[in-house]
Amino acid sequence: SQKIEQNSEALNIQEGKTATLTCNYTNYSPAYLQWYRQDPGRGPVFLLLIRENEKEKRKERLKVTFDTTLKQSLFHITASQPADSATYLCALDDNNDMRFGAGTRLTVKP
Amino acid sequence: DGGITQSPKYLFRKEGQNVTLSCEQNLNHDAMYWYRQDPGQGLRLIYYSQIVNDFQKGDIAEGYSVSREKKESFPLTVTSAQKNPTAFYLCASSIGTSAGELFFGEGSRLTVL
Repeated sequence: SQKIEQNSEALNIQEGKTATLTCNYTNYSPAYLQWYRQDPGRGPVFLLLIRENEKEKRKERLKVTFDTTLKQSLFHITASQPADSATYLCALDDNNDMRFGAGTRLTVKP
Repeated sequence: DGGITQSPKYLFRKEGQNVTLSCEQNLNHDAMYWYRQDPGQGLRLIYYSQIVNDFQKGDIAEGYSVSREKKESFPLTVTSAQKNPTAFYLCASSIGTSAGELFFGEGSRLTVL
């Protein structure tokens, strides 16, 4: 069956450290993958898109990798801040339909 | 400012009632979507529309209906046939349907009493 799994439902880290979130997928062959941020009670906000032929993408303190062999994407936030606390969703392309993982709730403690 | 507006933010419904959630966008996007979000689950696609007067079922369309009479508007009706309608509903739009980021509204939380 097709699955998208994001590591641990919740991740707690100390301010200033690097947060690493994982998105693993099974039985999909996505042409691209996206990451979104969602704050409680609000709609998701797009952060980054990475295509299957790209290994890495960066935007300010954010970095995304995409390994189609491992069927995995890693999302890194460097120098994390309490304001980075939110739920992060990965979404992948399934023949132009976007399929979403359940998300990882990140808490950055001061 | 351009964006997507969903209303109402909160809605309570008695069992057996139909309710309609509004979604309006002024981004001039062709594609619009409705997702449902439940705790511990990924967003699930209910319906989507790529052009006016045309829409397709997503993975969980049963008990829902939509219309797309105008490019800007894509309302969702939750009918009494939907067995478990309590959820957070998200409307989104994109320029097209290929490799495009999704722009989401702020969501509508429906609670069935």
